Amino acid sequence: NAGVTQTPKFRILKIGQSMTLQCTQDMNHNYMYWYRQDPGMGLKLIYYSVGAGITDKGEVPNGYNVSRSTTEDFPLRLELAAPSQTSVYFCASSPLGGQLDTEAFFGQGTRLTVV
Amino acid sequence: GNSVTQMEGPVTLSEEAFLTINCTYTATGYPSLFWYVQYPGEGLQLLLKATKADDKGSNKGFEATYRKETTSFHLEKGSVQVSDSAVYFCARNQGGKLIFGQGTELSVKP
Repeated sequence: NAGVTQTPKFRILKIGQSMTLQCTQDMNHNYMYWYRQDPGMGLKLIYYSVGAGITDKGEVPNGYNVSRSTTEDFPLRLELAAPSQTSVYFCASSPLGGQLDTEAFFGQGTRLTVV
Repeated sequence: GNSVTQMEGPVTLSEEAFLTINCTYTATGYPSLFWYVQYPGEGLQLLLKATKADDKGSNKGFEATYRKETTSFHLEKGSVQVSDSAVYFCARNQGGKLIFGQGTELSVKP
């Protein structure tokens, strides 16, 4: 049971570099999410998607881009890495995000450091 | 606005102590409420949930009751174990998105 898989687990980037954080889920979930987790700040929603071809901004979208070409994959792109993007990134999915009691399933996270 | 507020951590307890982690929310209407747990080095996983007023969610000895009158969803456990050491997040559902509190780190000592 793979669930939500994120790669890579760790990455160090130099300022100005770009990278893509990969996320894939094998549960046929419609909704997918990207969060960042900063110490003492909880999780902040970056982007989310309600289905293939549809994405929308969350609370902190600046500096990031996403795409959703398939139900399974929801990559997060950082175009010009900045130190403020040093964080732990979590991808999540849920079967019917609009339902009142839906549960989200999380990946193991990607720890990104920008130096 | 719509938000979730948790008591600040870290919380340090001895094994078998009673645990309470406070959580309050602001919202228009009655959102579903959740507690998620994050063990060291892992992603978040659902601990328990409640979907309407006076509902009680429970799992692994943890409980939380949806209190409409106080807009609260406090997490409790009667006797904590070392294995309960983790970060606990309160969350609410908002239009298909989960809005999280800042997390409370719990450390249980033998």
